[in-house]
Amino acid sequence: NAGVTQTPKFRILKIGQSMTLQCTQDMNHNYMYWYRQDPGMGLKLIYYSVGAGITDKGEVPNGYNVSRSTTEDFPLRLELAAPSQTSVYFCASSPSVDEQYFGPGTRLTVT
Amino acid sequence: LAKTTQPISMDSYEGQEVNITCSHNNIATNDYITWYQQFPSQGPRFIIQGYKTKVTNEVASLFIPADRKSSTLSLPRVSLSDTAVYYCLVGEAGKLIFGQGTELSVKP
Repeated sequence: NAGVTQTPKFRILKIGQSMTLQCTQDMNHNYMYWYRQDPGMGLKLIYYSVGAGITDKGEVPNGYNVSRSTTEDFPLRLELAAPSQTSVYFCASSPSVDEQYFGPGTRLTVT
Repeated sequence: LAKTTQPISMDSYEGQEVNITCSHNNIATNDYITWYQQFPSQGPRFIIQGYKTKVTNEVASLFIPADRKSSTLSLPRVSLSDTAVYYCLVGEAGKLIFGQGTELSVKP
């Protein structure tokens, strides 16, 4: 099993551009999550999903959108990128309330 | 959502036992207590989870008093490779909040 994979690993965006961060898991987990982590800080939940077709907002959803058309994939969309979205983005999945499995992260810089 | 409070940092030496305490005064009945470890430039890794009393696995123990308003992660005989940030989370799936964590530094 590959676990949770994220692409790209690094990306530099100009202000106002858009992009999609990809996340795929092969563990058949129902729950998937997107977090962002700013330097020296803990992770903040952006969006989560409890199953295909179901998504909900976390702590910091503004400026982001998600979709969950399949169990495996949970892409995060950034529209009109802003410098405040410079961060490391982690995707995670879990079977239920149990442990979350994290991907390697995407380092995004908006200039 | 239950908020957690942990020490910002701790120092230890190789071979010592390390105990990191987390306060969560407004924990709800359905909430679990979960601890994660994070190394630089990596995603967090699950360490242990519990609901009440004591839980032990191959890497750590988790002590939870009867009132569940706090919990203590115990790492036996730490090594240099245990240097990391440790997060205490309280809540249900999809509602977990990561605080700032405890930065543990293990010295030789």
